[in-house]
Amino acid sequence: NAGVTQTPKFRILKIGQSMTLQCTQDMNHNYMYWYRQDPGMGLKLIYYSVGAGITDKGEVPNGYNVSRSTTEDFPLRLELAAPSQTSVYFCASSYGGVDTNTGELFFGEGSRLTVL
Amino acid sequence: AQSVTQPDIHITVSEGASLELRCNYSYGATPYLFWYVQSPGQGLQLLLKYFSGDTLVQGIKGFEAEFKRSQSSFNLRKPSVHWSDAAEYFCAVGNYGQNFVFGPGTRLSVLP
Repeated sequence: NAGVTQTPKFRILKIGQSMTLQCTQDMNHNYMYWYRQDPGMGLKLIYYSVGAGITDKGEVPNGYNVSRSTTEDFPLRLELAAPSQTSVYFCASSYGGVDTNTGELFFGEGSRLTVL
Repeated sequence: AQSVTQPDIHITVSEGASLELRCNYSYGATPYLFWYVQSPGQGLQLLLKYFSGDTLVQGIKGFEAEFKRSQSSFNLRKPSVHWSDAAEYFCAVGNYGQNFVFGPGTRLSVLP
């Protein structure tokens, strides 16, 4: 099984550019998440989705947008890139919510984004 | 507000030595607790989780963790560390609202 697949793995953007990070999962999971990881800060939730057509903000949503048109895909869009968005981004999925015994997160390998 | 602290930013142990990684949490209700491991350049992988019942939980790769409600702790242990255990370890609390609160992580180095 491929699990959770993210593309691209690396990207350099100029300030003000836009881009989309792609995320696909083949486990038929209902829940999908986008996190960013900064050194010494752990992971912070950007957006999440509990099913197709449903998305909600996490802890740090400013500067990002998401959509969930299918169960499999959960792209993250950066509209006007800023240096503060330099980070490693992880997509994750789970069968159930994080407060259930099926809430184990399955992570992609990450996308390293640099904004110059 | 919920929070997770991992007091040790970086730990170095010799191969074959025992290991304990500390995790303390602040949470108003019964917590759902997790330990994840991240190898360099990889995503996070679940090591073990606690939801209820026996406070000593076993995970993959020979790891275990003990939930101590009185100390608000969920420390990760391994009796004998292998060189392949070198990685970053994250403690997390799963709360309502579909969010994990992750600790800042502890980087483990293993000396040969």
